[in-house]
Amino acid sequence: ELKVEQNPLFLSMQEGKNYTIYCNYSTTSDRLYWYRQDPGKSLESLFVLLSNGAVKQEGRLMASLDTKARLSTLHITAAVHDLSATYFCAVVQGAQKLVFGQGTRLTINP
Amino acid sequence: DGGITQSPKYLFRKEGQNVTLSCEQNLNHDAMYWYRQDPGQGLRLIYYSQIVNDFQKGDIAEGYSVSREKKESFPLTVTSAQKNPTAFYLCASSIVGQGLGYTFGSGTRLTVV
Repeated sequence: ELKVEQNPLFLSMQEGKNYTIYCNYSTTSDRLYWYRQDPGKSLESLFVLLSNGAVKQEGRLMASLDTKARLSTLHITAAVHDLSATYFCAVVQGAQKLVFGQGTRLTINP
Repeated sequence: DGGITQSPKYLFRKEGQNVTLSCEQNLNHDAMYWYRQDPGQGLRLIYYSQIVNDFQKGDIAEGYSVSREKKESFPLTVTSAQKNPTAFYLCASSIVGQGLGYTFGSGTRLTVV
């Protein structure tokens, strides 16, 4: 059974700082997704990582995938308040099922 | 504009009642999914369907039922057998085999009163 674990689950940081969220998964997969969720809202797709060594960047967020280590990272550079949200990673199981991590609740303080 | 529409946004259910949550997509996606999210937690898969007239149980299917009579529609019924239905329900769709991820609807918040 595929398990996806994120850490940390809660992260409070100051504006301007850098930090990384980690996503580990238990069985082989070559597709990993990152989503953002604002309170009470749906999920917004951030990144789709489809191969080992894939790196994607959008603004202050950068995601990478190491399929051999079964690890993805979401790096936040020079955080700003607008990035406060819950971030989920999700990994494909079988043909199409997505299994989600528990989510990382990120709070960025002025 | 293409997308997924969930309705209603808020739903209140009395104990012992069945309720049906609507999910419609105009993206021409093959696969559709229902997830449940409890406060402060991740998403758990209830049911999914990759083609019309076929669907599979996810990890927490007990107390739920679905149908897939049309490609565009995948309604979820929360039955009286679901003992703790209060949650946020998210519908999603995807193109099978393209690895592009899911598109999510805006969600339905169900509360038992």
